[in-house]
Amino acid sequence: NAGVTQTPKFQVLKTGQSMTLQCAQDMNHEYMSWYRQDPGMGLRLIHYSVGAGITDQGEVPNGYNVSRSTTEDFPLRLLSAAPSQTSVYFCASSSPTFTDTQYFGPGTRLTVL
Amino acid sequence: RKEVEQDPGPFNVPEGATVAFNCTYSNSASQSFFWYRQDCRKEPKLLMSVYSSGNEDGRFTAQLNRASQYISLLIRDSKLSDSATYLCVADTGGFKTIFGAGTRLFVKA
Repeated sequence: NAGVTQTPKFQVLKTGQSMTLQCAQDMNHEYMSWYRQDPGMGLRLIHYSVGAGITDQGEVPNGYNVSRSTTEDFPLRLLSAAPSQTSVYFCASSSPTFTDTQYFGPGTRLTVL
Repeated sequence: RKEVEQDPGPFNVPEGATVAFNCTYSNSASQSFFWYRQDCRKEPKLLMSVYSSGNEDGRFTAQLNRASQYISLLIRDSKLSDSATYLCVADTGGFKTIFGAGTRLFVKA
């Protein structure tokens, strides 16, 4: 049981590049979410999903896309990277709802130059 | 005003001390509350949920005051291993949770 896994662990992008952050969980959790964490800001919700095929926006969705084709996977796409997207990104999952314990992946540290 | 506010600290305490953190939330519709712990450069992990009647888990006690819209976490007999950032979390009444910015705790020998 690996829990929540994220790849890559580190990434450096140039402004304007696109990429996908991967997130997978093997706990059969329905609820998955993406957060970004910046110094002094806490974790801010980017997008979330309550089940396969269902996604919705969080607090800071601009510049990011998500999809949920399976229960296990919830990738986050950066469409055109900007320096303001330099951050640590965490994926989380919980079951049966968001009000239960959220299990976080180890994070992806992204730098946009 | 942030939806969930915490004193950023840092709190510097000696081993064995009792330390208390407070957190305020602005959404009166919030129903679920949590404390998470985050070690340096690691992912957050659930420390405890916060129930209306208050709850205790070993050296940790959480309290909820709905009238004043604040949540507290009390740590008794602090250990060096308690050094971490403590994140207060509240739901928004929908399918979202809001994290506070965290309170840093340093426990010194």
